[in-house]
Amino acid sequence: GQQLNQSPQSMFIQEGEDVSMNCTSSSIFNTWLWYKQEPGEGPVLLIALYKAGELTSNGRLTAQFGITRKDSFLNISASIPSDVGIYFCAGQGRAGTASKLTFGTGTRLQVTL
Amino acid sequence: EAQVTQNPRYLITVTGKKLTVTCSQNMNHEYMSWYRQDPGLGLRQIYYSMNVEVTDKGDVPEGYKVSRKEKRNFPLILESPSPNQTSLYFCASSPLMEGANEKLFFGSGTQLSVL
Repeated sequence: GQQLNQSPQSMFIQEGEDVSMNCTSSSIFNTWLWYKQEPGEGPVLLIALYKAGELTSNGRLTAQFGITRKDSFLNISASIPSDVGIYFCAGQGRAGTASKLTFGTGTRLQVTL
Repeated sequence: EAQVTQNPRYLITVTGKKLTVTCSQNMNHEYMSWYRQDPGLGLRQIYYSMNVEVTDKGDVPEGYKVSRKEKRNFPLILESPSPNQTSLYFCASSPLMEGANEKLFFGSGTQLSVL
């Protein structure tokens, strides 16, 4: 099955720094999502995007649906220790349907004090 | 509290010994799914279910079985586990609002080791 490529694979940053990560696909998606997995837990939905070009925020997190519909971006501003975890993007081919979600390979974020 | 409950959290077994990982959700969700998480590969779907008695294969179904006899439960069965099934497994559920299922709620995971 198809997988989405996330970049970078891992990041080590200092508290207070901004973070950027992205997700690219060879196929077009009509829905993009970002999930966060904290150590020892399952992923939790952070942001859902439904329209090309859409920019959506959730607190210090901002995600964008790329205009080509083949990519998405997640930014975290002023990182804090509780931002530690693995961030997964996910794409869905047909919005508004129960079609398959394809997950990315994940970006592991470590925040140092 | 709304949740997806998986059991057990950790399991060590030997090759060929049948096992079942249970999954239960209390949110009356129609859609349920199993994923495995492996380093560098992200989350890959094993099986999913749109509703009671409706199941279908995901990307990596070989070596696994599922059943959906009740809406709340979706067990994952490994009839003859092999070492390449050593992985972290997640169960997830979502409502099917307007046909969409993208807002998944995940369990806390089951770490399986097959020796």
